[in-house]
Amino acid sequence: AQSVTQLDSQVPVFEEAPVELRCNYSSSVSVYLFWYVQYPNQGLQLLLKYLSGSTLVKSINGFEAEFNKSQTSFHLRKPSVHISDTAEYFCAVSDIGGNQFYFGTGTSLTVIP
Amino acid sequence: SAVISQKPSRDICQRGTSLTIQCQVDSQVTMMFWYRQQPGQSLTLIATANQGSEATYESGFVIDKFPISRPNLTFSTLTVSNMSPEDSSIYLCSAWRGRETQYFGPGTRLLVL
Repeated sequence: AQSVTQLDSQVPVFEEAPVELRCNYSSSVSVYLFWYVQYPNQGLQLLLKYLSGSTLVKSINGFEAEFNKSQTSFHLRKPSVHISDTAEYFCAVSDIGGNQFYFGTGTSLTVIP
Repeated sequence: SAVISQKPSRDICQRGTSLTIQCQVDSQVTMMFWYRQQPGQSLTLIATANQGSEATYESGFVIDKFPISRPNLTFSTLTVSNMSPEDSSIYLCSAWRGRETQYFGPGTRLLVL
């Protein structure tokens, strides 16, 4: 089974500053990788995903993540955050051909005005 | 993508009672799941809802406490039985289309008094 580590439980950052939310997973087998966002009092929304191809994937609201197979990482970045980015962010991994997702413990991003 | 709705969105229940949560997907999906998200924590998979057969439960969850139905490819229910305050949580339904991406419902916020 996979394990997913999100090293930072809370990340405060000032508005318009860059941010990186870290995610590492355990297994070196072929995987699909995901970031989900949960805004206050809402369900999870898919932010971006890596399935194959280019290791850099982007979302429509300026976030990007890069799959690094050698480091088994899928860190999420944004060059300039907005107040509206304040939310909980979850990294998730699924083994290709498997039937289960493995979630990290989440990172709470707080954007400070 | 898949659009998933859940009913009720929230409820306050008395100890010892049961609550059934409904999950409806806007199109046929291969797999449906039920998760629990306790306050400030990540997602914990309760079970996989299998169409036409008994659900597959994860360690620590049993059918008597969390009976699940999935009568067709777009609908599932989760019942939280004989509730106690420890069952207070967000319950999330999710669905896969293929094995690439998992979509989530908005969640049901349950408070047990």
